[in-house]
Amino acid sequence: DAGVTQSPTHLIKTRGQHVTLRCSPISGHKSVSWYQQVLGQGPQFIFQYYEKEERGRGNFPDRFSARQFPNYSSELNVNALLLGDSALYLCASSPWRDQETQYFGPGTRLLVL
Amino acid sequence: GQSLEQPSEVTAVEGAIVQINCTYQTSGFYGLSWYQQHDGGAPTFLSYNALDGLEETGRFSSFLSRSDSYGYLLLQELQMKDSASYFCAVRAQISSGSARQLTFGSGTQLTVLP
Repeated sequence: DAGVTQSPTHLIKTRGQHVTLRCSPISGHKSVSWYQQVLGQGPQFIFQYYEKEERGRGNFPDRFSARQFPNYSSELNVNALLLGDSALYLCASSPWRDQETQYFGPGTRLLVL
Repeated sequence: GQSLEQPSEVTAVEGAIVQINCTYQTSGFYGLSWYQQHDGGAPTFLSYNALDGLEETGRFSSFLSRSDSYGYLLLQELQMKDSASYFCAVRAQISSGSARQLTFGSGTQLTVLP
């Protein structure tokens, strides 16, 4: 069975630009969460979507937004990129909203110059 | 707010036993998870404790004391492939009606020497 997939794997952007990251959950999983992982730190929770609705939001500015599609795939959008947005962006899926186990994708490594 | 503390680095030799401690502060606590992440890889789930006590899964065991806001991951019969970062993470409901969120610690870099 395919795991969580994310695209692109790597991305280079300049300050002020906009970026869209994509995630496909494991088949049958309805919950998708997004995390930001800065080098040397643990993943930081950004959003959770379940059944196409936002169910949780971390402490991130409004420049960060996301959505979930009818097929349960998800997009994370970041506007007006800052140098500090450079990080590994991880997507995780789980079958239900409050499932204890999160299955992570390989991530998208974003570099903002 | 929420906070988690775990050691930044631990070094041990092959075949040894190592314990990685984690203390946390949070409201709406549901449980403590442990994840492993190899360099350049994705975090992978190791264990979850919702109740006090020890959970054993093969060479790995995890312990939780809710009254002490403390847990640990115990790795036995260490192998070179166990060299990785280990993260504790609390699952908590931050606000009424929201889903339970996972908040990670900063991670412990485990180096296993031959």
